Amino acid sequence: EIVMTQSPLSLPVTPGEPASISCRSSQSLLHTNGYKYLDWYLQKPGQSPQLLIYSGSSRASGVPDRFSGTGSGTDFTLRISRVEAEDVGVYYCMQGLQTPYTFGQGTKLEIK
Amino acid sequence: QVQLQESGPGLVKSSEILSLTCTVFGGPMGTYYWTWLRQSPGKGLEWIGYVWYTGSTNYNPSLRGRVAILLDTSKNEVALKLRSVTAADTAVYYCARSEWGYAFDPWGPGTLVIVSS
Repeated sequence: EIVMTQSPLSLPVTPGEPASISCRSSQSLLHTNGYKYLDWYLQKPGQSPQLLIYSGSSRASGVPDRFSGTGSGTDFTLRISRVEAEDVGVYYCMQGLQTPYTFGQGTKLEIK
Repeated sequence: QVQLQESGPGLVKSSEILSLTCTVFGGPMGTYYWTWLRQSPGKGLEWIGYVWYTGSTNYNPSLRGRVAILLDTSKNEVALKLRSVTAADTAVYYCARSEWGYAFDPWGPGTLVIVSS
């Protein structure tokens, strides 16, 4: 199965500052059809995960444009242009290229 | 908008069957993939498997044939059955919808299941 590795695991950020989370996969997530099978989820405290980004860079419905996803192959990045207090929680990447779908360990974003 | 709600026993005895139901509110079940996932402190988020609207299924091999996911469109429900449970199956169980198999949206709030000896 594909192994997903995130860094950092903990990310303290000052409100208004940018933040960046890295996700690396053990094999390329770029399909021959051109799609990148990489999702990003945010799990806010006490809630279930919510989809932020799919196909590497497409924002899910209702997700603010301060969230962006980039990357290709085995290296992907989630960027928050200006962190807000409501962005705290644990961020997960997940590969959807092949089953079993697998998640990264999670990155906990906290406000300084 | 569609909302999902998991339900079922919060406590299951070791070696017995864990049975959960996901009820879909606010829309038809359509042509989606209906997925079960779980989250435990020790193993993080884990994909259990899905059932497609056709009834075809795909399961995580790690569950070694113990799992079944069933669709009942007449009741707007998706069932999860996991047999021969052990303490390692203690987790919060989530159901989620997907258009393509991945990109789960939305998720239910989750339900905690504890396996006791």
